[in-house]
Amino acid sequence: QQQVKQSPQSLIVQKGGISIINCAYENTAFDYFPWYQQFPGKGPALLIAIRPDVSEKKEGRFTISFNKSAKQFSLHIMDSQPGDSATYFCAASMDSSYKLIFGSGTRLLVRP
Amino acid sequence: DGGITQSPKYLFRKEGQNVTLSCEQNLNHDAMYWYRQDPGQGLRLIYYSQIVNDFQKGDIAEGYSVSREKKESFPLTVTSAQKNPTAFYLCASSAPGTNSLYGYTFGSGTRLTVV
Repeated sequence: QQQVKQSPQSLIVQKGGISIINCAYENTAFDYFPWYQQFPGKGPALLIAIRPDVSEKKEGRFTISFNKSAKQFSLHIMDSQPGDSATYFCAASMDSSYKLIFGSGTRLLVRP
Repeated sequence: DGGITQSPKYLFRKEGQNVTLSCEQNLNHDAMYWYRQDPGQGLRLIYYSQIVNDFQKGDIAEGYSVSREKKESFPLTVTSAQKNPTAFYLCASSAPGTNSLYGYTFGSGTRLTVV
């Protein structure tokens, strides 16, 4: 019940296309859902995050869509660029637990 | 600038040797964490600490030890009992309960290799 399942494992998108990464969770007590971006040899950096009281959050080309009833959330990268090529992790937590549960990651490659 | 500093960036360990990875933060965060990342894998929690002088085992604590004597510091020791220590180690910190969306701040990692 503590798992966060992420798919796909890898994704190849042409420049200008839309990248979509999906995550699903079981624990309905989760109330914080961030996405992290990691470049090779670097630590992950927070990209965008959402709480379950909203169904969508947009920051520039990055959008989180959240479906509370289905217990799923997804990251959409519009107009994908080669510089977006990185590994993306979804995560979930209950604030009081102090612990983020991470998905297994998606390696995104955006072709020029 | 506020942030997390991990050192060293690269570390080589001989068989049977203990090594210590450093993690320092100046964000005034209460909670700190250690994760292990293997090539092409996700992040696995080793240990975490919610407050000074207290810490809990994560999912893969065997062969590792930590201390939290100061709020700013959370060093990780990889002991000789850890049979497969070659990995990328990430330290993170957070300020739980602040109702913010900022979550974790990660360090830049230490790559440990057994030679």
